[in-house]
Amino acid sequence: DIQMTQSPSSLSASVGDRVTITCRASQSISSYLNWYQQKPGKAPKLLIYGASSLQNGVPSRFSGSGSGTDFTLTISSLQPEDFATYYCQQSYSIPMYTFGQGTKLEIK
Amino acid sequence: EVQVVESGGGLVKPGGSLRLSCATSGFIFSGWTMDWVRQAPGKGLEWVSSISSSNSYINYADSVKGRFTISRDNAKNSLYLQMNSLRVEDTAVYYCARDHGSGSYGRMDVWGQGTTVTVSS
Repeated sequence: DIQMTQSPSSLSASVGDRVTITCRASQSISSYLNWYQQKPGKAPKLLIYGASSLQNGVPSRFSGSGSGTDFTLTISSLQPEDFATYYCQQSYSIPMYTFGQGTKLEIK
Repeated sequence: EVQVVESGGGLVKPGGSLRLSCATSGFIFSGWTMDWVRQAPGKGLEWVSSISSSNSYINYADSVKGRFTISRDNAKNSLYLQMNSLRVEDTAVYYCARDHGSGSYGRMDVWGQGTTVTVSS
């Protein structure tokens, strides 16, 4: 099974900050990496797919990069509504998907 | 509006059974792969099962293989998850999600609000 490891597990930041979350795969997954945002009590929301493609309707302050085993999600200027938990998901071994453990982004 | 709505969750004793349903609308259900994803209390997301548009491909996580059965009724635009031999560790919110499949990075772009399954004696 492909393991996905996110870092950090939690992060404190302020509105306006630039934030980067990292996701590492246990083997190469090419660009088969998606990012989701989840707020408490809500369903996950797709942000980025194929490592770097922005899902329709997602603000351009979100961006993704990477290929192979190392990936990043960057929020260029944090907004109040961005405080949430973020998950990466590998889809290389379709459909045996695996998610990272999550990164909780909190207000400093 | 594209929508998926789960139902069927509840409290069940260990060893019991439950059937979850996911009603969809706003898109051509028969053309899409669908997934079940779950989230235990305070934990992360775990993919449970997938079914392709024409039932050609069905897959399960090892943790539920042999106990859960995914199915769909394209005439009713609905997805199901039959859960048997339930364990305490199956306690979770279960989400239904639309899956773009292998041709488009297996991204899940439409999610329901989830239905809660609690397995407890």
